[in-house]
Amino acid sequence: SQKIEQNSEALNIQEGKTATLTCNYTNYSPAYLQWYRQDPGRGPVFLLLIRENEKEKRKERLKVTFDTTLKQSLFHITASQPADSATYLCALDIDTNAGKSTFGDGTTLTVKP
Amino acid sequence: SQTIHQWPATLVQPVGSPLSLECTVEGTSNPNLYWYRQAAGRGLQLLFYSVGIGQISSEVPQNLSASRPQDRQFILSSKKLLLSDSGFYLCAWRGTGGLNYGYTFGSGTRLTVV
Repeated sequence: SQKIEQNSEALNIQEGKTATLTCNYTNYSPAYLQWYRQDPGRGPVFLLLIRENEKEKRKERLKVTFDTTLKQSLFHITASQPADSATYLCALDIDTNAGKSTFGDGTTLTVKP
Repeated sequence: SQTIHQWPATLVQPVGSPLSLECTVEGTSNPNLYWYRQAAGRGLQLLFYSVGIGQISSEVPQNLSASRPQDRQFILSSKKLLLSDSGFYLCAWRGTGGLNYGYTFGSGTRLTVV
């Protein structure tokens, strides 16, 4: 079965710096890879989806890369702000027809002013 | 626009009591619907999904069941709760085919079984 590892349980950075979060998977490359933001006590919020034939996708200050050779996705937040502090989840499609995904445990990002 | 409603927000139930969590979706038709559970500090575990009325797929053998009596209604149930059923339950929908769509999650139900 597909296993996902997200880097370190917590990441602390200074405001204005770029945060880089890692998502590694073990088996086949998924057709789609997703990133979500989750605030405490809330449901995850969808941020970006990248397809296996896409190397990079951007949305405002967010950038996602997808390297099927390394079996890795990187999630970058540039010019980070304290409001970016949250847990970020990576998810991989495991059944495209059913829309099923498997999720990593998340990385908690804290941006300090 | 599409919205998803999930209730209640919190629930404290004794062991052995029944459970019913409800989720409804607005602004879309024939969505794929999902129930996920999240343990503290962990990722999401898929419990059930449904691609249509009356069609339920179970992912993990457990004490829970799901039903989809209407196109935009998804219900999670249990006849007798166990302590291990405690967790954060999330309902979600996703556009069919997955093209450029992630999940839209409800606000979640925090269930504590005592």
